[in-house]
Amino acid sequence: DGGITQSPKYLFRKEGQNVTLSCEQNLNHDAMYWYRQDPGQGLRLIYYSQIVNDFQKGDIAEGYSVSREKKESFPLTVTSAQKNPTAFYLCASSIQGTSTDTQYFGPGTRLTVL
Amino acid sequence: AQTVTQSQPEMSVQEAETVTLSCTYDTSESDYYLFWYKQPPSRQMILVIRQEAYKQQNATENRFSVNFQKAAKSFSLKISDSQLGDAAMYFCAYRSAFWLASGSRLTFGEGTQLTVNP
Repeated sequence: DGGITQSPKYLFRKEGQNVTLSCEQNLNHDAMYWYRQDPGQGLRLIYYSQIVNDFQKGDIAEGYSVSREKKESFPLTVTSAQKNPTAFYLCASSIQGTSTDTQYFGPGTRLTVL
Repeated sequence: AQTVTQSQPEMSVQEAETVTLSCTYDTSESDYYLFWYKQPPSRQMILVIRQEAYKQQNATENRFSVNFQKAAKSFSLKISDSQLGDAAMYFCAYRSAFWLASGSRLTFGEGTQLTVNP
């Protein structure tokens, strides 16, 4: 089955630690995205990538880093510089990253900082 | 920068009745796309419907339809014959047509929590 997988579903981190969230897609999509969701707020864009080995900052990139070494994978690292990392993180992908594309979302990862 | 506002944090509807969720947006662009996404308790984001700004005809998908008022920058979602499975958080989202500059990012509203009463 084609789709987007995110792992783990739940993640706990101690303060001061870096943690990496996984996002994999087998839809052959060129573009991938990371969003953050906080209670009572809509999704906010962290980073996006329209092609392998290239990515751009979104609206709230501070304290996060990404890589795009393979078309299928777009991992997100939450660094210790992120002041309030507890949130729900959603990964998405689309065919080419054009405006006409539909973005498909993964099931998300809930990150909690202890 | 574009903004999207959903002024109804919560709405409720009786099963089989009709409900309308409101969304307004602010943009200086003339060409763009608007979306409604549904997020059920599983938290999976599901596309409900999309509207191209250059189309005057309102989009429909089965029981879901929109009322797109471009001049008023309004984009409401109507759900007819509401079902228990429609209960979810609904998000309105905006995307610029100028994707080379914006990267096709989606700008979301704050969401409206819809409850369907049996």
